[in-house]
Amino acid sequence: GGIITQTPKFLIGQEGQKLTLKCQQNFNHDTMYWYRQDSGKGLRLIYYSITENDLQKGDLSEGYDASREKKSSFSLTVTSAQKNEMAVFLCASSGTGGGDTQYFGPGTRLLVL
Amino acid sequence: GQGVEQPDNLMSVEGTFARVNCTYSTSGFNGLSWYQQREGHAPVFLSYVVLDGLKDSGHFSTFLSRSNGYSYLLLTELQIKDSASYLCAVRDDTNAYKVIFGKGTHLHVLP
Repeated sequence: GGIITQTPKFLIGQEGQKLTLKCQQNFNHDTMYWYRQDSGKGLRLIYYSITENDLQKGDLSEGYDASREKKSSFSLTVTSAQKNEMAVFLCASSGTGGGDTQYFGPGTRLLVL
Repeated sequence: GQGVEQPDNLMSVEGTFARVNCTYSTSGFNGLSWYQQREGHAPVFLSYVVLDGLKDSGHFSTFLSRSNGYSYLLLTELQIKDSASYLCAVRDDTNAYKVIFGKGTHLHVLP
């Protein structure tokens, strides 16, 4: 078995601030994902990475940057936090072959004041 | 356009069953997954189907009809702890790494 950890668990930021979320996995999975989950909406893909140093934009990449420096970690940066923004950011990983089975981390809950 | 649709809410009674429906419209099809998400927790993988028919996995079973763009997740012998959101996710055949998630169906199991 393996585990995905996300830090921090809660993140409170100020409008315009640059915020970084981190994700680590020990499944030895090739592919990692960042999703945003808002109340009443499905998970929306922000960025994904097929392998170390690879980055692919998802449908919601505007306003975000990502970094995959090594196979086990995938970081997401909110480049300029929006006032009153409230969402959960979920990191996931999957083995070779794509997204049929994804394993999710516990999430980072963001609140922007 | 592409989309995955699920009802927002579903209610059922402990000891009975619940069927969570999912319809999808995608450019091609390369598999459908179901996830369970409890309040405040991460989604947990339940099942993956790519062929038509019923896949029986005990407490959770999944059905797929590709010609109708339809799947359901069937939970039998419901327990109170089955109360959760159930997410349907479809992978189209243009990109194996991207899946389209539905909003999820919140199942309320009543005593």
